[in-house]
Amino acid sequence: GAVVSQHPSWVICKSGTSVKIECRSLDFQATTMFWYRQFPKQSLMLMATSNEGSKATYEQGVEKDKFLINHASLTLSTLTVTSAHPEDSSFYICTFTRRNNYGYTFGSGTRLTVV
Amino acid sequence: QKEVEQNSGPLSVPEGAIASLNCTYSDRGSQSFFWYRQYSGKSPELIMFIYSNGDKEDGRFTAQLNKASQYVSLLIRDSQPSDSATYLCAVNPQGAQKLVFGQGTRLTINP
Repeated sequence: GAVVSQHPSWVICKSGTSVKIECRSLDFQATTMFWYRQFPKQSLMLMATSNEGSKATYEQGVEKDKFLINHASLTLSTLTVTSAHPEDSSFYICTFTRRNNYGYTFGSGTRLTVV
Repeated sequence: QKEVEQNSGPLSVPEGAIASLNCTYSDRGSQSFFWYRQYSGKSPELIMFIYSNGDKEDGRFTAQLNKASQYVSLLIRDSQPSDSATYLCAVNPQGAQKLVFGQGTRLTINP
């Protein structure tokens, strides 16, 4: 089955620093990628959608200059949280979908803690 | 009105019984419906997806879809303690590839 590798699985950073999260599809080429965020005891909220080679589309209320998404290839997407603040502490999860395929494969998630 | 609604629970079910999880959605044009299981601190894992009205069975799991009522459910037969988790309902809105999630139902199976 489809495998998505997400790295790092957890990270602690200081306020004001930036953190990069990588999401890589290991055995398929992903045309569309979604980044979700999940706060404790809440559901997954879509942050942005990105298509390979195109700019990401952000959901309402998500700052595109703060959450930088790069989907430069069919197998790799990155999310950079810039100038992180404690309120950005959350569980970030990526998922890919493929052309003409309704399957969604989730990464293992990244627990970000900003102190 | 939320796009996808679930009862947050907690729902407690004795071991061996049937657990019934429900979900309603607001976009009548939605085409694809998914049930995910999420253990604490982990990423969601797909249990089942359903596209057509009616029932779809996979082992102990049965998904039921009623598009007229905008309702999708998941039945877990012979519930096991390992089924204790949060169950997330997710929907593809019409014309969109993204998944919209409900808030999840926390299920506890009591031995």
